[in-house]
Amino acid sequence: AQSVTQLDSHVSVSEGTPVLLRCNYSSSYSPSLFWYVQHPNKGLQLLLKYTSAATLVKGINGFEAEFKKSETSFHLTKPSAHMSDAAEYFCVVSDPLDTGRRALTFGSGTRLQVQP
Amino acid sequence: DSGVTQTPKHLITATGQRVTLRCSPRSGDLSVYWYQQSLDQGLQFLIQYYNGEERAKGNILERFSAQQFPDLHSELNLSSLELGDSALYFCASSARVQGDTQYFGPGTRLTVL
Repeated sequence: AQSVTQLDSHVSVSEGTPVLLRCNYSSSYSPSLFWYVQHPNKGLQLLLKYTSAATLVKGINGFEAEFKKSETSFHLTKPSAHMSDAAEYFCVVSDPLDTGRRALTFGSGTRLQVQP
Repeated sequence: DSGVTQTPKHLITATGQRVTLRCSPRSGDLSVYWYQQSLDQGLQFLIQYYNGEERAKGNILERFSAQQFPDLHSELNLSSLELGDSALYFCASSARVQGDTQYFGPGTRLTVL
């Protein structure tokens, strides 16, 4: 069975400083991994997706994530935070060998605050 | 804008009532997924339909049901509503059965009083 753990429920950074949101996953096979962002009172927007190609994945708005199989991690980073990055971020795993009962498994979310 | 539409945006109803949430997938997408987001449970997968047929079930209560119509839009029916059913309900769509990126709609916020 697949699972995903977001290691921080809240992260606070200053504008212009780097962002690191941590995610560890558990999967029986080579999973697909995603990061989604949810702004207040909005739906979920896809930031980036890993599907066993390059281990460093570039997404929208300057975000990127690195897949590290040995560490079962998929941390999200951004070199310089912007006020508009303040939102909830979800790490998501999809295991192709899963029966489909939990087609996408979401982490519990990390709320990113950006201080001026 | 993901291309997935959901109606209504907000729904306020009373316990014991029944409601229907509607979702239109992105043009060309055959799979529709329903998710529930609540403060205590987080984001949970409820059910998936592909081209009109149920393909996967998650943590969906027996009081809840869904269907996908020939034009590929989907409806989620919630009956005998309880206070704990208050949540944000998301619909997502993808092109194929499994493995594709899912694109999410803006959600329907259900409040049960």
